[in-house]
Amino acid sequence: DGGITQSPKYLFRKEGQNVTLSCEQNLNHDAMYWYRQDPGQGLRLIYYSQIVNDFQKGDIAEGYSVSREKKESFPLTVTSAQKNPTAFYLCASSMGELRDEQFFGPGTRLTVL
Amino acid sequence: GNSVTQMEGPVTLSEEAFLTINCTYTATGYPSLFWYVQYPGEGLQLLLKATKADDKGSNKGFEATYRKETTSFHLEKGSVQVSDSAVYFCALTKNSGNTPLVFGKGTRLSVIA
Repeated sequence: DGGITQSPKYLFRKEGQNVTLSCEQNLNHDAMYWYRQDPGQGLRLIYYSQIVNDFQKGDIAEGYSVSREKKESFPLTVTSAQKNPTAFYLCASSMGELRDEQFFGPGTRLTVL
Repeated sequence: GNSVTQMEGPVTLSEEAFLTINCTYTATGYPSLFWYVQYPGEGLQLLLKATKADDKGSNKGFEATYRKETTSFHLEKGSVQVSDSAVYFCALTKNSGNTPLVFGKGTRLSVIA
């Protein structure tokens, strides 16, 4: 089955620690995205990438970093510089153009203690 | 810039009631329009889409018509079920240029038996 996987489903970290969220897709999509979801705020775009070894900041990139070394993978690191990292994180991908419809993973809920 | 405005939630309906969730947009040119659904604890799934004026998207009993004259894409269902309880997101993308989807803030629907 083709799809997007995110792991783990739930993640707990102590304040001040960096943490990396995994996102893998086997849809052969070129573009990948990371969103943050908070109650009542909808989706906010953190980073996106159209091709390997290239990515752009979204609306709320501060305190986050990404890499795109392989087409299938787009990991997100939440750094200690992120002031309020507790949230639900969603990864998505789309075929080629950024304007194409997006396919989403199941999400990772990060809680910083 | 492009933006999407959805009606504030939550919306609470009894089973078999008629559903309307309003969505209006601001965009230059001719965007494509989408409705996504998010069930509790999951990622988003594409529900339906429309790519040009007067198109009607439909899926699982849900419908939405692309109205350019009123810049709207309201989601409707004639008879909701408890299983329709979820958060619904309206989104748009420009058909020219290359920018990611823009999402509304989401509308939470609760259907009670």
